[in-house]
Amino acid sequence: DAKTTQPNSMESNEEEPVHLPCNHSTISGTDYIHWYRQLPSQGPEYVIHGLTSNVNNRMASLAIAEDRKSSTLILHRATLRDAAVYYCILQDNYGQNFVFGPGTRLSVLP
Amino acid sequence: NAGVTQTPKFQVLKTGQSMTLQCAQDMNHEYMSWYRQDPGMGLRLIHYSVGAGITDQGEVPNGYNVSRSTTEDFPLRLLSAAPSQTSVYFCASTPDWNTGELFFGEGSRLTVL
Repeated sequence: DAKTTQPNSMESNEEEPVHLPCNHSTISGTDYIHWYRQLPSQGPEYVIHGLTSNVNNRMASLAIAEDRKSSTLILHRATLRDAAVYYCILQDNYGQNFVFGPGTRLSVLP
Repeated sequence: NAGVTQTPKFQVLKTGQSMTLQCAQDMNHEYMSWYRQDPGMGLRLIHYSVGAGITDQGEVPNGYNVSRSTTEDFPLRLLSAAPSQTSVYFCASTPDWNTGELFFGEGSRLTVL
């Protein structure tokens, strides 16, 4: 399984944008890039995913580098409820195994 | 909407005891899976199923059994509990691996003494 690298933790101020980086230099051409988040004492929650083009949904935006070796999850206006662990995951061609690394713990300051 | 329901939420076992963690989903999803999460770590895949009657091993299957007799249910059995199986267990389902959206239950916290 291709691996991802994320910072252990990040801080943001409430109502400011947050850019969460992820490096995946060994990504293959058919690997989808997924982002999930996990709020305290809850199961992971889907955020967004993409293959090559940038993606937007109601929760966030996903910016994918042209060479696909990195991506950035963008929360446009952080709220206190966005404080969570964010996981960047590569889904391989067969799809069954989503490999969750340690993720990035995002703290949002009021 | 119930989504993915896991029971029990908490369980304490003694070494050597067996038990079953239940997982049920009401979304008619074909694909279901079990993960474990150890403190400070991400999730690791234990077993998964691509439909009723079909199961396969994930990354860390040893010490666990699964079966899938119906689309709705995917129980995880611990055959002889060990302290190393102390963890939080998550069940997930998805209608299609390719959509990427896994729906997770709230987790079952298991302690093995």
